[in-house]
Amino acid sequence: DVQLLESGGSLAQPGGSLRISCAASGFSFNNYAMGWVRQAPGKGLEWVSLVSGSGGSTYYADSVTGRFTVSKDNSQNTISLQMNSLRDEDTAVYYCVKERLSTIVGWFDSWGQGTLVAVSS
Amino acid sequence: DIQMTQSPSSVSASVGDRVTITCRASQDVGSWLAWYQHKPGKAPTLLIYEASTLHNGVPSRFSGTGSGTDFTLTIKSLQPEDFAFYYCQQAKTFPPAVTFGGGTKVEIK
Repeated sequence: DVQLLESGGSLAQPGGSLRISCAASGFSFNNYAMGWVRQAPGKGLEWVSLVSGSGGSTYYADSVTGRFTVSKDNSQNTISLQMNSLRDEDTAVYYCVKERLSTIVGWFDSWGQGTLVAVSS
Repeated sequence: DIQMTQSPSSVSASVGDRVTITCRASQDVGSWLAWYQHKPGKAPTLLIYEASTLHNGVPSRFSGTGSGTDFTLTIKSLQPEDFAFYYCQQAKTFPPAVTFGGGTKVEIK
């Protein structure tokens, strides 16, 4: 079974940095693009970022471009999201997601349980 | 950017009812549309992709129709485990971006 386990969520100050990670198992990790989707309190889902199976291509939502960096370690079966210049509006539960196919299509067939990032002074 | 608008934002229904949720895209997305179910505190799950294809293991009471800008998710006979939030999502412009609808809460009447 596919398992995605996020970690690293915590309280951070506005302007600060935080790194969250996702450990994956149960599938050929290097073959699949992985990404992050977040949900702010009381709000809907918002796609944040995606990294290709090889880790060589990355994509970001406009709201995080230039501040967040996604990376993929195929030797450790993990992805990470480095979040810099954090803002109050980045407060959310961050879900790790897996692409359904080995090509980038945009259908996320597996999700982690989420990790909470709270940005507040 | 493509905007996705869901309606209604919430619906009250009873077990056994037929429930229909609509999703409208601000531009033509073809069949590049998915539906997800999300129960609070749990991981969201993929229900339908390519507008009408049921994901593995999803009960057949769920169905999706539509193309272009107008889509529907129908739950044929609502079950207790179906009370949840439902989100549509377009992937026409992916990469680099996907867009989710605002969500529909299906609650017990």
